[in-house]
Amino acid sequence: GIQVEQSPPDLILQEGANSTLRCNFSDSVNNLQWFHQNPWGQLINLFYIPSGTKQNGRLSATTVATERYSLLYISSSQTTDSGVYFCAVLFSGNTPLVFGKGTRLSVIA
Amino acid sequence: DAGITQSPRHKVTETGTPVTLRCHQTENHRYMYWYRQDPGHGLRLIHYSYGVKDTDKGEVSDGYSVSRSKTEDFLLTLESATSSQTSVYFCAIRRTGDTGELFFGEGSRLTVL
Repeated sequence: GIQVEQSPPDLILQEGANSTLRCNFSDSVNNLQWFHQNPWGQLINLFYIPSGTKQNGRLSATTVATERYSLLYISSSQTTDSGVYFCAVLFSGNTPLVFGKGTRLSVIA
Repeated sequence: DAGITQSPRHKVTETGTPVTLRCHQTENHRYMYWYRQDPGHGLRLIHYSYGVKDTDKGEVSDGYSVSRSKTEDFLLTLESATSSQTSVYFCAIRRTGDTGELFFGEGSRLTVL
């Protein structure tokens, strides 16, 4: 069946470290998004990235659609990066997005 | 900001009472969704809508109903709330057009005693 798998499930970093979060998906995609849920529960859009590479400040994302994975890079992590990172995939036009279970990131000062 | 407003933001109710959560959007997008989020379960889809009066079930629809009588409002109703429905509920809209990007509301925290 359709699957979206994220790894690692949990990650603890020292402030200033870099990290890579991965999202694997089981079929070709029309849309892929990365979200950050901050410790207050807000779900914040990071990237819309069905293919290619994008960068926004210290964060960047790459999706290799032919190999069915996406990577989220966080450089020089800060305590405000803590929270849960979700990958969500749209497999076809009218179906809902499928979410991964998330990666919980804790950045320690 | 995708112009999504959820109400109420917080509610405490008793088992057996009806509860309605409202999601309002200002951008007239076709697709709207209700999710619940519980510790250890991530985001789970309850119901979604792809137009006025067009709705469908998600993976955890039992005990919930929805209505969409106009484009801007998507209502989630718990006919008789149970303690297992204590959760944080998120509404989302998906923009139509080139990106189809999904945006979430702020969430509604429901406690059923």
